[in-house]
Amino acid sequence: DAKTTQPNSMESNEEEPVHLPCNHSTISGTDYIHWYRQLPSQGPEYVIHGLTSNVNNRMASLAIAEDRKSSTLILHRATLRDAAVYYCILRDGGDKIIFGKGTRLHILP
Amino acid sequence: NAGVMQNPRHLVRRRGQEARLRCSPMKGHSHVYWYRQLPEEGLKFMVYLQKENIIDESGMPKERFSAEFPKEGPSILRIQQVVRGDSAAYFCASSPGWNSGDEQYFGPGTRLTVT
Repeated sequence: DAKTTQPNSMESNEEEPVHLPCNHSTISGTDYIHWYRQLPSQGPEYVIHGLTSNVNNRMASLAIAEDRKSSTLILHRATLRDAAVYYCILRDGGDKIIFGKGTRLHILP
Repeated sequence: NAGVMQNPRHLVRRRGQEARLRCSPMKGHSHVYWYRQLPEEGLKFMVYLQKENIIDESGMPKERFSAEFPKEGPSILRIQQVVRGDSAAYFCASSPGWNSGDEQYFGPGTRLTVT
């Protein structure tokens, strides 16, 4: 799986939007961009994934750059429950997930 | 539809004992993955199984660790002669297929403490 680069940590105020960036300059044409998050003391949780087009679901939106070398996970209105480590992952095939260090998101009340 | 189930949630073993961790995938999922998270570290892949087959065990330590996913029943991760360094959270995940777009659903984990 190709490598991704994320900031170590970010802060956001409660009830404001959060934009979590991810760089993946070596992405291949068949790599999907997946986002997972891990809340404290819990297992990872799938958030969203996409290939080329922007994607929306009930949890978040995924904005993918036109050249696919970067993407942004958007939480439209952060709550305290969104405090977690967010992982940006590239997947080509359905086998193992290679987790990086992710971004630790702190939400300020 | 029940999620991925793991048991026990917490397991305490003395050095030298065996640890057995169980994982029941989501209904209809035939792909199971095990990951380990050492204290204050990231998640590391251990093994990927389908029913009765080990597909990828590249992340599994060569000694003392084994995994199976029988035709009937849960997937088992077995650690023989545990040592203090095995203390970690062990997560199981399942997925319905082997496509790039298939998400993995994770269980709550088993926290193993070796005393």
